[in-house]
This record gives sequence, C-alpha cells and structure tokens, in this order.
Amino acid sequence: QKEVEQDPGPLSVPEGAIVSLNCTYSNSAFQYFMWYRQYSRKGPELLMYTYSSGNKEDGRFTAQVDKSSKYISLFIRDSQPSDSATYLCAMSLGGGADGLTFGKGTHLIIQP
Amino acid sequence: GAVVSQHPSWVICKSGTSVKIECRSLDFQATTMFWYRQFPKQSLMLMATSNEGSKATYEQGVEKDKFLINHASLTLSTLTVTSAHPEDSSFYICSVGDRGPQHFGDGTRLSIL
Repeated sequence: QKEVEQDPGPLSVPEGAIVSLNCTYSNSAFQYFMWYRQYSRKGPELLMYTYSSGNKEDGRFTAQVDKSSKYISLFIRDSQPSDSATYLCAMSLGGGADGLTFGKGTHLIIQP
Repeated sequence: GAVVSQHPSWVICKSGTSVKIECRSLDFQATTMFWYRQFPKQSLMLMATSNEGSKATYEQGVEKDKFLINHASLTLSTLTVTSAHPEDSSFYICSVGDRGPQHFGDGTRLSIL
C-alpha cells in the first residue's frame, strides 16, 4: 500500500460545477496537509495549507481533513476552465521543515 | 509565500556529462531547501533536504555521490547530477519552506541523450 493514494483521473466536469478531489493516506503521524495545483511543465502552486483535522476555506476552495479516517478533500466551487490542471495532495510530519509526501495527482478538466 | 527561482528551466546534454541546477530563494532566507524529482505521470518524490552550511540529508535509495547538493548561502542551493545517464532524465524541482508551507520553483526538465 502506498503512503498516499490519489485517483489520477482524468476527472472531467462542466464549467460551474462543484469539484471534489480527495486523498487517503496510511501514516497517522502526518500533521500538515496541503493541496497544490500544477500546470504542465510548471512547479506546484500552493492552494491550501491545513494543520490537523478540520475545514479551511479560501475563496472558491475548501479543504477538509479527517485524521480519524485518514482522508483529505479539496472542494472547488464555481469551477472555471482555468482551473483545469493537475491537483496534488501533500502531507508532512512537521510542516515546512519536513519533506513532503505527495499523492500522484488528479488531472482535472473543466469543460466550457 | 516565498518566491523561488530555478535555473535552467530545460537542459539537454549528452550521457556522461554533469549538470548543475540552481535554486534561489528570492525573498526569504532559507536555512532549508528541498529537492524533488518527478517522472511523467508520477508524483513528486523527495530526493534530499538541503541544509545551509551543512551536509544534505538524502532519502533512501538516492545516491549522494551522483546527486551532489551544495547549500552555501541562505538564498542558493545547487543540485549537480554527475555523470548523467538517460535514466536520470526527469523533472527536478526545488522548494523552500523553513516555516509554514513549502513553495516551489518552476522546475528543471533534464533530458540526457
């Protein structure tokens, strides 16, 4: 079993839809959880950063962490064609001072 | 968040040559930088943690003599791929994150012929 599981997709939804992306993980010691967006041939761009369990909202993005289930989610409201990208979940033991463990990434396509 | 610059963005070279990749933290003094590698359609894999003024810490399975890391200042870390071979062809990305989340450079695409 891999440390972080993420469905690679592709996930195709119409413009304006609510998108749900998720990851599961096996290491209960992870404390920090992140979502990054990556466009082709570019580095990952930070979208959300959360500590431990709970919800966090930023604009059209909502991140949820359920440590008891070892499950994290990212919701995108009012999806736009410009949201088409690969979304990577990542997690670490100690925040920015520790290397990150990434999921494989989900390729998201928003149809105009 | 931190602004990270990586150079070059793309390099093609012959098998057996050495290639140096630079990672600069433009607005943040970084005692720690990280180097990752990403193969097509795969996740980013941590290669090593670069520590300013001391030796890098390598992940299991990463050859430290092949991937030389130098973090000589708080704004610059370099990764040198020595005697590169076609199997070293990949996307190499650095990140900065002493406190809070890590921020990434735009990566270096390395192609070894």
